[in-house]
Amino acid sequence: EAGVVQSPRYKIIEKKQPVAFWCNPISGHNTLYWYLQNLGQGPELLIRYENEEAVDDSQLPKDRFSAERLKGVDSTLKIQPAELGDSAVYLCASSHRQGSLNEQFFGPGTRLTVL
Amino acid sequence: AQSVTQLDSQVPVFEEAPVELRCNYSSSVSVYLFWYVQYPNQGLQLLLKYLSGSTLVESINGFEAEFNKSQTSFHLRKPSVHISDTAEYFCAVSGGTSYGKLTFGQGTILTVHP
Repeated sequence: EAGVVQSPRYKIIEKKQPVAFWCNPISGHNTLYWYLQNLGQGPELLIRYENEEAVDDSQLPKDRFSAERLKGVDSTLKIQPAELGDSAVYLCASSHRQGSLNEQFFGPGTRLTVL
Repeated sequence: AQSVTQLDSQVPVFEEAPVELRCNYSSSVSVYLFWYVQYPNQGLQLLLKYLSGSTLVESINGFEAEFNKSQTSFHLRKPSVHISDTAEYFCAVSGGTSYGKLTFGQGTILTVHP
């Protein structure tokens, strides 16, 4: 079974530029999560999707961040414009069903460096 | 709101020594507890979890954790570590108002020396 796929693995951009990250969850997983992991910290949830619906986006900075999951499968997270403080690892995870009992499977992450 | 505190940011040990990685959580409702491991350049992998029942849970590679409700702790232990256990370990909590959401601790870097 293929795991959660993320691309790119690494991205270096200059501040004020836009950037996008892509995630393909495990086949059949209808819940998808985007997490932000700052250096030396644990991951923090940005947004959670149930199929194509964003059911929890309370931690997403909506002035510059956006996300979509149009067909309820793969998802894109965008930052526009990027700021120096956005340098971090962006993790995508998926689970079979929403809920605390369902294991979340994580992708390898995209490491963003903003110069 | 729920929170997780991992008391040690780094734990160096020698191979075959025992290790304990400490985790305390804060929550006013029943929770589910998890330990994830992250090897270099890889995603997080679930190591073990406590949902209900026996307070002692085990992983397939020799780790165990004990849920202690009175002390609000979920410490991770292994009686004899290997070089391959070198990784970063994250404790996480879910449940209650955080239904469907994992709240992670800051992580503990375990380094096993030969």
